[in-house]
Amino acid sequence: QKEVEQDPGPLSVPEGAIVSLNCTYSNSAFQYFMWYRQYSRKGPELLMYTYSSGNKEDGRFTAQVDKSSKYISLFIRDSQPSDSATYLCAMSVSNTGNQFYFGTGTSLTVIP
Amino acid sequence: NAGVMQNPRHLVRRRGQEARLRCSPMKGHSHVYWYRQLPEEGLKFMVYLQKENIIDESGMPKERFSAEFPKEGPSILRIQQVVRGDSAAYFCASSPPDRFRYEQYFGPGTRLTVT
Repeated sequence: QKEVEQDPGPLSVPEGAIVSLNCTYSNSAFQYFMWYRQYSRKGPELLMYTYSSGNKEDGRFTAQVDKSSKYISLFIRDSQPSDSATYLCAMSVSNTGNQFYFGTGTSLTVIP
Repeated sequence: NAGVMQNPRHLVRRRGQEARLRCSPMKGHSHVYWYRQLPEEGLKFMVYLQKENIIDESGMPKERFSAEFPKEGPSILRIQQVVRGDSAAYFCASSPPDRFRYEQYFGPGTRLTVT
């Protein structure tokens, strides 16, 4: 079983829709949860991070962590064509970064 | 402030040759990470370095792969005697010394093709 599972999609939504991206994981020791955005042929870019359970909001983006279900989500409100990218979740037991476990990424296309 | 730089962006090698991938971290960053991304797979951690030290190489294949981050100059990921299975995108990330390391800044990657 993979440490982190993420549906690869592809996901296609109309502009303005609410997008829900999800990851599940198996290691209950994970405490740090990150979401990255990766445009085609570019490196990943950190979008949001959360520690332990709960919600975090940043503009149109909301990250949720449910440790009891081992499930994390990223919501994008009022989606824009510029949001079209691959979204990667990542998680770690500690905050030192050298043991990040990444999902495979979900490809999102927002249609104008 | 320039971002993380990697070169070359694309590298083609024949089986058995050596590949050298370079990474210049962001200014002021002293931690460097190398990841490999295979098609349809997530990023896989390979090695974590600080200046002149390998901190964690648990994700690195035991043979043919090595990494360094010298006192001066870029970090180098070296793959000897490349095989077709080494074809992948290799990303470098850096983080500052005084921040949590989840704040990693990634370079654009080097796409290695082994023919």
